[in-house]
Amino acid sequence: KAGVTQTPRYLIKTRGQQVTLSCSPISGHRSVSWYQQTPGQGLQFLFEYFSETQRNKGNFPGRFSGRQFSNSRSEMNVSTLELGDSALYLCASSGGDSYNSPLHFGNGTRLTVT
Amino acid sequence: KQEVTQIPAALSVPEGENLVLNCSFTDSAIYNLQWFRQDPGKGLTSLLLIQSSQREQTSGRLNASLDKSSGRSTLYIAASQPGDSATYLCAVRFYSGGSNYKLTFGKGTLLTVNP
Repeated sequence: KAGVTQTPRYLIKTRGQQVTLSCSPISGHRSVSWYQQTPGQGLQFLFEYFSETQRNKGNFPGRFSGRQFSNSRSEMNVSTLELGDSALYLCASSGGDSYNSPLHFGNGTRLTVT
Repeated sequence: KQEVTQIPAALSVPEGENLVLNCSFTDSAIYNLQWFRQDPGKGLTSLLLIQSSQREQTSGRLNASLDKSSGRSTLYIAASQPGDSATYLCAVRFYSGGSNYKLTFGKGTLLTVNP
């Protein structure tokens, strides 16, 4: 069974640009969540989707947005990039419709903003 | 504020030693708690998931305990091996309103097992 796939693996963008990251969950998983990981703040929750509906949202500005498609694939978008957005962005999926199942993470997208 | 704290931030032990990693959290209204390991440059691998009604979970050489009343969890690793070297993260799913629960991570413990 294929794991969680995130593309691209690395991205370099300039301040003010926008970026879209993609996540394909494990087949059959309907819940997808996104996290930002930085050395200073650690892992912080961005948002969570279940069956195309946003179920939870973290404390990030509106420049961060996401969506989930009918095939459970998810994208997150960051507009007007700032230097502080440089981070490893991780996506996770889980099975079931509750929080009882463990999370399975992808290897992340490393975003560098210059 | 719902927070998760992991102490120590780093730990170095000789191979074969049994060790305990600690996780504390500020709110007892939790859904579950999960332990992960992260290898450099990689995503997280789930190790153990403990539901709020459970006291412990075991998988191989790993044992995780949960004490909701005191806001603590421990991850016990028996007979440590160099391959156990990684960052270990504790994540707590706190109640966030309605029927939803949000995941909050600790900053992790960097474990080094020396041959």
